Amino acid sequence: GQQVMQIPQYQHVQEGEDFTTYCNSSTTLSNIQWYKQRPGGHPVFLIQLVKSGEVKKQKRLTFQFGEAKKNSSLHITATQTTDVGTYFCAGHNFNKFYFGSGTKLNVKP
Amino acid sequence: EAQVTQNPRYLITVTGKKLTVTCSQNMNHEYMSWYRQDPGLGLRQIYYSMNVEVTDKGDVPEGYKVSRKEKRNFPLILESPSPNQTSLYFCASRGTGIQPQHFGDGTRLSIL
Repeated sequence: GQQVMQIPQYQHVQEGEDFTTYCNSSTTLSNIQWYKQRPGGHPVFLIQLVKSGEVKKQKRLTFQFGEAKKNSSLHITATQTTDVGTYFCAGHNFNKFYFGSGTKLNVKP
Repeated sequence: EAQVTQNPRYLITVTGKKLTVTCSQNMNHEYMSWYRQDPGLGLRQIYYSMNVEVTDKGDVPEGYKVSRKEKRNFPLILESPSPNQTSLYFCASRGTGIQPQHFGDGTRLSIL
């Protein structure tokens, strides 16, 4: 079946360092969404990407959707302790969602 | 306040004892979905519903049932729970088109 792989599984950074997580789908996606889950919380929507090659920015966060609509990335510039949490990508096809396994980000002050 | 409400938040039960986890949303969303979250596996979709009386299987539907008799409610039913269904469950809803999903606070189920 369809799969979305996400790496790395964990990332520990010093506050102020950059962070990137990557997602790869086994098939072409209709669109991709990104979510953040704080410890003990529920996933919270960050953004969605629809077009091939699309790049969107939210303050220190940059999201990219690959040209083939099979891969995506989230880059955080100059991490802060408030960025701590697990980041998930979710590929969307034919009314189904396929979540990556998530990247758990820890930021040391 | 727009929200997705799940109950119960926590449940410890025994193998074979039927249980239902309720999910309700107040946003008039057509699409609702159930996920289970397990360490290292992310969220896996169990069932989803496009509208009232329209449901379909996700990636891991075995051992679960759902119903969508009203637009706002989408209960998850475990007819004969087993220990491998111990997990954290999330309900989510979204509007039509390419819309974000809104998640409930989660239900932690332990099947002994």
